Amino acid sequence: DAKTTQPPSMDCAEGRAANLPCNHSTISGNEYVYWYRQIHSQGPQYIIHGLKNNETNEMASLIITEDRKSSTLILPHATLRDTAVYYCIVYFYGNNRLAFGKGNQVVVIP
Amino acid sequence: ETGVTQSPTHLIKTRGQQVTLRCSSQSGHNTVSWYQQALGQGPQFIFQYYREEENGRGNFPPRFSGLQFPNYSSELNVNALELDDSALYLCASSTPGGQQETQYFGPGTRLLVL
Repeated sequence: DAKTTQPPSMDCAEGRAANLPCNHSTISGNEYVYWYRQIHSQGPQYIIHGLKNNETNEMASLIITEDRKSSTLILPHATLRDTAVYYCIVYFYGNNRLAFGKGNQVVVIP
Repeated sequence: ETGVTQSPTHLIKTRGQQVTLRCSSQSGHNTVSWYQQALGQGPQFIFQYYREEENGRGNFPPRFSGLQFPNYSSELNVNALELDDSALYLCASSTPGGQQETQYFGPGTRLLVL
């Protein structure tokens, strides 16, 4: 599996956009970028995924660079409830397993 | 809410005992994956079940075993419990094939081994 690199932690201001970076320089052409988040002691929550085009849903936007070596998850208006560990994962269909790293502990500050 | 349920929510066992954890998949999903999450770490893949057969296994010893039933629910069994087995156990359901392979997680079972 391709590895991802995320900052171990970051703070974001409530009401502002939160931009969460992820590097995946060894990603293969058939690997998708998936984002999950985990609020304290709960199960991981699926956020969004993409292959090469930018994606948007009701939770977030995913921006993938043209060379696909990095991506950014954007939470458009961060709220206190967005405080969580965010995981960036690369995954290819048929792989059957998600390879979680330690993630990025995001704290939204009032 | 993902529709994936797990039971029990919490469990305390002693070393050497055996434990069974249960997972009900989201409606329409036929695949269940199990993960172990130690404190402060990301979830680690244990194994996956598809059509009642094991479909991939992570780096876990044979005392971790599983079952999947015709209704796609699943069990995780751990024999000869060790202190290091204390963790949050997560199951996720999905369906093979493209976008449907997105895994949706349940709330987890917190296991404490004393």
